[in-house]
Amino acid sequence: QVQLVQSGAEVKKPGASVKVSCKASGYTFTSYYIHWVRQAPGQGLEWMGIINPTGGSSSYAQKFQGRVTMTRDTSTSTVYMELSSLRSEDTAVYYCVSGIQLWSFDYWGQGTLVTVSS
Amino acid sequence: QSALTQPASVSGSPGQSITISCTGTSSDVGSYNLVSWYQQHPGKAPKLMIYEGSKRPSGVSNRFSGSKSGNTASLTISGLQAEDEADYYCCSYAGSSTLYFGGGTRLTVL
Repeated sequence: QVQLVQSGAEVKKPGASVKVSCKASGYTFTSYYIHWVRQAPGQGLEWMGIINPTGGSSSYAQKFQGRVTMTRDTSTSTVYMELSSLRSEDTAVYYCVSGIQLWSFDYWGQGTLVTVSS
Repeated sequence: QSALTQPASVSGSPGQSITISCTGTSSDVGSYNLVSWYQQHPGKAPKLMIYEGSKRPSGVSNRFSGSKSGNTASLTISGLQAEDEADYYCCSYAGSSTLYFGGGTRLTVL
């Protein structure tokens, strides 16, 4: 079955960067798009961007342009999301999500809590 | 562009039907029949309930249905059950590989 396993919780200081990984299994890695979605404590879902594992092309929400980078390693079926210049408002659970179409979120990872605190 | 608009909360009694609206613009909901809906229980990852406006993934109860009229999409849950109590989010494609979520709706089963 499709599984997305994310890296563990992180604590970062303001201004630092964080890199979260998402390892896919149970399907052909290049068959599904991978999105990143975040959820701040007590808040709603926020779409950050998408990467196409086939060629590695990505598209980011305007809000994160210049601060987020999504990459993939086809040899390990792993996608990475790096967010830089962290501030307290970036404290959230970050989810990787796969979808066979770029407009749907079919399978969710378990989430990674990133805490930004001085 | 801002998030899609959903009511903050809705409620209903067991057995009743409720509808959650999701209002966007002519650039997203109005232009594409590509709205999806997600259910999220506390402390859990969201779960896909409806995709492409009205399609149900395998395993999702037929008590859940989706529709659209103009710039507003809707999720209807019939025969409410206690286990339906959760947060619900809509999401729409907006072209150019961009998607927007709604702010979420808390469903309370009375």
